[in-house]
Formats: sequence, C-alpha cells, structure tokens
Amino acid sequence: DAGVIQSPRHEVTEMGQEVTLRCKPISGHDYLFWYRQTMMRGLELLIYFNNNVPIDDSGMPEDRFSAKMPNASFSTLKIQPSEPRDSAVYFCASSDTGPEDEKLFFGSGTQLSVL
Amino acid sequence: AQSVTQPDIHITVSEGASLELRCNYSYGATPYLFWYVQSPGQGLQLLLKYFSGDTLVQGIKGFEAEFKRSQSSFNLRKPSVHWSDAAEYFCAVGAGGNEKLTFGTGTRLTIIP
Repeated sequence: DAGVIQSPRHEVTEMGQEVTLRCKPISGHDYLFWYRQTMMRGLELLIYFNNNVPIDDSGMPEDRFSAKMPNASFSTLKIQPSEPRDSAVYFCASSDTGPEDEKLFFGSGTQLSVL
Repeated sequence: AQSVTQPDIHITVSEGASLELRCNYSYGATPYLFWYVQSPGQGLQLLLKYFSGDTLVQGIKGFEAEFKRSQSSFNLRKPSVHWSDAAEYFCAVGAGGNEKLTFGTGTRLTIIP
C-alpha cells in the first residue's frame, strides 16, 4: 500500500480564497483524522471520521472550515474564505479498528501558506 | 480533559551521546501513550506505544520509553543517537478505542557531530 496520500504538498493562496486539501487513506482503514500543525499550538485534531461519518468535529476552529468524506477512499478539508492565520501544515491520518492496536498512519502533510 | 506537556522545545545532542526526551501527561485513568517522530518534510511515524503491562516499552530505531504513573511521565530514551535521529518528536495520549489523541507541542532534536 502507498500509505496515506495527501495533495497538494504545498499550497500558496491569497486571503479570501477557497482552499481544498485532499486525502486518500490507507485502504481498509475505517478511521480518518485531520490534524493541523503550527509552531505555537503543535498538533491539533480538527475532525475525525469513522466509516465516512464525522464523529468529532470539536477541533474545527470555526465555520470557515469544513470536512467531508464522501467515500471510504477520499476526504477533503476545505477552508472558505482562507485567512493568513490558517497558514500551517495540515496532516491527514488513518487507522484501522482495535483498541489494542491504536496506530495512526500519517500522510506527508500539506503546507498551506495564506498571504 | 487529557493533556500532554513536552517541556523541552529544542534539544541538541552530540552524535553517540544518550538522549532523553521528556513527556508529562494529564489523564484521569490509565492512559494510552505514544511517541511519534516527524522527519523533515515527512508525516509522523509511530516509534512506540504503551497500553498496559511492562512499563518499559521498546520501539523502533533503538528507542525505548518508560511509563511512570507516579510521575505522570512517559520519557523517550535512546542510549546512543545517530545523525539520522534529528527530527521532531511528539508525545501523545489517548483513551484507547481510537478515541482522539492529544499531542504535545513537540521537541525538536538536533544532532551535532
């Protein structure tokens, strides 16, 4: 398996523009997580899905952020409109079930710069 | 609510020297504890995890960590670091059952010759 695949690797956009980040989880994994990483706050969980259903979105900073998982092999994180303070690295991760085998597989991240 | 503190933002170690990265957690029950490593430009990779049993956990790349309940700590150690160990290290705590993990802010490790 190719692992968790995120695209794009880098995104530079202007304030006010819509940004869409994409993630393909590892096949067979039924949990998908979106994290944001900043120097000040470290890694923060934004939202996670189980079997394509959002379970906990309490980490989503505000209504400008939305996430979808239309099927088991694809998820998007959208920011509309984007702001400079959204600049960060966004990671997608997936895992399979089993409380004794909790293991996240992370993608390489999307470096977002909002000018 | 669970929380994780990594008190050292940046640590510099000579190649071949020993390493200890500190992690303190706050959680009401027995936690699930993890250490992840992030190499430059890469995602995070699991180094090791603790759920129960032996409090000294062995991981990949020669790393180990010791769970000390009395100190609410889960420090990461390596007896002899290599230049390739230079990376960012994250400690995380969870409740198990794929509950969301809470990560520390990370410790950046620099290796000098």
